[in-house]
Amino acid sequence: QSALTQPPSASGPPGQSVTISCTGTSSDVGGYNYVSWYQQHLGKAPKVMIYEVSKRPSGVPDRFSGSKSGNTASLTVSGLQAEDEADYYCSSYAGYNVVFGGGTKLTVL
Amino acid sequence: EVQLVESGGGLVQPGGSLRLSCAASGFTFIHYAMSWVRQAPGKGLEWVSAISGSGGTTYYADSVKGRFTISRDNSKNTVYLQINSLRAEDSAIYYCAKTDSTAFYYFDPFEVWGQGTMVTVSS
Repeated sequence: QSALTQPPSASGPPGQSVTISCTGTSSDVGGYNYVSWYQQHLGKAPKVMIYEVSKRPSGVPDRFSGSKSGNTASLTVSGLQAEDEADYYCSSYAGYNVVFGGGTKLTVL
Repeated sequence: EVQLVESGGGLVQPGGSLRLSCAASGFTFIHYAMSWVRQAPGKGLEWVSAISGSGGTTYYADSVKGRFTISRDNSKNTVYLQINSLRAEDSAIYYCAKTDSTAFYYFDPFEVWGQGTMVTVSS
């Protein structure tokens, strides 16, 4: 059982926006601005898409954005493209630990 | 190009041991902390262990403390994970990952990942 709770699936047609949630507690997501999001295509290694709640590493399209409210962080993918279809995992600093969510499978319809 | 290549996985009986390796290239290895993160089949990610750039400080998840040992050889640009007393629940793909600091900070994102090596624990 993962420490952070994500919906198992999300979907949307090309061009639309989809938001994936990541719910924790005040001991992790709610307590610190250290939430990251990782994209994992089938059979591939994870890739960081967002760090420190809303920062994008160089090379990540600005279609990907992150936010946080209370104990819930969110990843929004705007202008969905076929290549966005993947599993997405959130993670959070949890005071001398790093915890992950169970992952959300994003399907581009 | 920054690259991480894991090796050493395989099929092992419960109670057995394995040593995983992760060969790094494309960056000044000693300047960066390294971690191991695992993913059980069909499951989410779990951080397992980390080591500072110098190798002087190590960190472990409670689930593996006392059974796993992380180390590194900076002359070979390689980080290792010795896994002992293996259990079925240790079956997973083990990824090594790089963070962006010499010291390991739990809040640093894992900015580069290898392709992983599969460990299967079964009799």
